[in-house]
Amino acid sequence: QVQLVQSGAEVKKPGSSVKVSCKASGGTFSSYTISWVRQAPGQGLEWMGRIIPILGIANYAQKFQGRVTITADKSTSTAYMELSSLRSEDTAVYYCARGLPAASRYNYFDPWGQGTLVTVSS
Amino acid sequence: EIVLTQSPGTLSLSPGERATLSCRASQSVSSSYLAWYQQKPGQAPRLLIYGASSRAAGIPDRFSGSGSGTDFTLTVSRLEPEDFAVYYCQQYGSSPQFTFGGGTEVKIK
Repeated sequence: QVQLVQSGAEVKKPGSSVKVSCKASGGTFSSYTISWVRQAPGQGLEWMGRIIPILGIANYAQKFQGRVTITADKSTSTAYMELSSLRSEDTAVYYCARGLPAASRYNYFDPWGQGTLVTVSS
Repeated sequence: EIVLTQSPGTLSLSPGERATLSCRASQSVSSSYLAWYQQKPGQAPRLLIYGASSRAAGIPDRFSGSGSGTDFTLTVSRLEPEDFAVYYCQQYGSSPQFTFGGGTEVKIK
């Protein structure tokens, strides 16, 4: 069964950038999609964007356009999410999650990575 | 953008009781693209239901999903102690865009 393992917690200064990784093991990587979802402390889930590794095509939520970059390295089955111009409101747990290929009959996230806490503080 | 509104925000029930959670969309959603997740404190969300009514692998049959159009329901027929958690609905739309509901917390009464 595929597992997604994310990089460790980060502490960043306002205005800086953070790059979080998500490595897939035990299953197919390229033919699925990888989405990034964040959760601020005590809040709900917010989709940020996704990538189709086999095509290298990324789509972003309008809220994060211009500030987030999602990439994937097929050779290592690893996806990355980079968020720039960090502010305190970006403090959250960032999750990667596998989605079904585009144009599938269904679309959902399973499995999820364990989450990466990013803290933005001066 | 489709907005998902979950109700109630909090549900206080006892083990053995039935839980009924609602997810209402601001416009019609394809049933194929409506999913439910369970999240416990300190854990990542876990897929429960996809396609509005299909249980994910390993999910007990006390969990069921129903609905179509703009109104969807997650039902837990008899709450077990491990079912007390926060539940989210999620939809996939064109663009592509994914949105989540605000969540319903099921608490022990």
